[in-house]
Order: sequence, then structure tokens, then C-alpha cells
Amino acid sequence: ETGVTQSPTHLIKTRGQQVTLRCSSQSGHNTVSWYQQALGQGPQFIFQYYREEENGRGNFPPRFSGLQFPNYSSELNVNALELDDSALYLCASSPRTGSSGELFFGEGSRLTVL
Amino acid sequence: AQTVTQSQPEMSVQEAETVTLSCTYDTSENNYYLFWYKQPPSRQMILVIRQEAYKQQNATENRFSVNFQKAAKSFSLKISDSQLGDTAMYFCAFMKPSGSGYALNFGKGTSLLVTP
Repeated sequence: ETGVTQSPTHLIKTRGQQVTLRCSSQSGHNTVSWYQQALGQGPQFIFQYYREEENGRGNFPPRFSGLQFPNYSSELNVNALELDDSALYLCASSPRTGSSGELFFGEGSRLTVL
Repeated sequence: AQTVTQSQPEMSVQEAETVTLSCTYDTSENNYYLFWYKQPPSRQMILVIRQEAYKQQNATENRFSVNFQKAAKSFSLKISDSQLGDTAMYFCAFMKPSGSGYALNFGKGTSLLVTP
């Protein structure tokens, strides 16, 4: 069983640029969530995708957007990068069966904005 | 909005000893889930233990157990027989099941160091 994989693992961007982060969900999981984890903080929910539709969103501006593909993989796009966007971005997948709530996380993509 | 508070930024315990991590939360919901997740250094976050709010019995998973006090909105994690591999950040998290996704609200975490 393949776990959640994310790419790239590290990247550096400059303020104003755009970034795309990618996530492959765990086999059999059809729901993908994205979280932002700033240094020394707990993860914060960005949004969730189910069946290629956004299905819940946290308190993040519209310049944070996403996609989910038919194979359930997902992308997180951030436009007009700001210094405060520097963080570890975590992708998590789960099966949409019941409400057990357990999420399976990837190792994250660490974004540095200069 | 639900808030999760972990009042212990850092804790240390000796190998084989027992340690308890604290967590309180604030919600007006009656049906919800609580979790403890572990994030080892440079490794992915994994679920340690889960508690459904409607269950009075405290959840246990091997050396890990919780003390769930619903009225007090408290959810502490006890790690027995601590091992060096337990060194990690521990996050308490709250989830309210809904039709619009399953978002976890995390606390700021407790950094646990297990020493020989």
C-alpha cells in the first residue's frame, strides 16, 4: 500500500511568485486535505477536496486554490506569494467512508518565500 | 469556531517513565472527535489515538491512553513506559463531522523529549 507522497519536498520562491505543490493520495483514498504548518505552530486547515470538488475551506484567501484529479491526486496553488506563506504544507488523504476522521499525512513540502 | 489549547510547549521524560500531555478545547458541539497526532522530527504526522465524544470509555492503544473529560472539555494523553522513539511533537486535534468536509483543528503542539 503506497502512502501519501508530496512533491517537491523543499522549494524557495520570491515574493509575488506563484507556486504549485503536488500530492498523491494513499491508495483507495478519495478525499484530500491541505494544511499549512508555520514554524512552531500546529497545522491549519486550508481546504479539502472530494470527487474533484472543493468540500470545505478554512480561513485562507482566494489566492490559495486547489485541484483534485480523477485519480484523486491533488494540487495546491498559491498565487502572489507573501513572506508569511513560508511554511510546511501538508497533504492528507482519507477514505470518504463514515466519519472516523483519521487522516494520513505526507511528509510535506517546505516552502520558503524570500 | 473550535479552539484547541495545549499549555505545555515542551516536556521531557526519562525512558520507561510515564508522562501526561494536556489538552483542552472549546466547543458548543455535542458530537465530535478528538485526536492525538505525533510528528517525529522530519517525518510524517501519524495518528496516535482517537476518541469519539459520545463514548464515555477512554480510548487506549498499547502504551498510549487518554483521559477524556467531556464536561471539563479536557483530553490528556498518557504515555506509559516511554521509549526513545516517542520523541516528537504531539498535537491535540478536534474534528466536527459535517457534510462539508472533515477539518481538523490542531493545537500548537507539545514537544516531547524522551531521554535515556
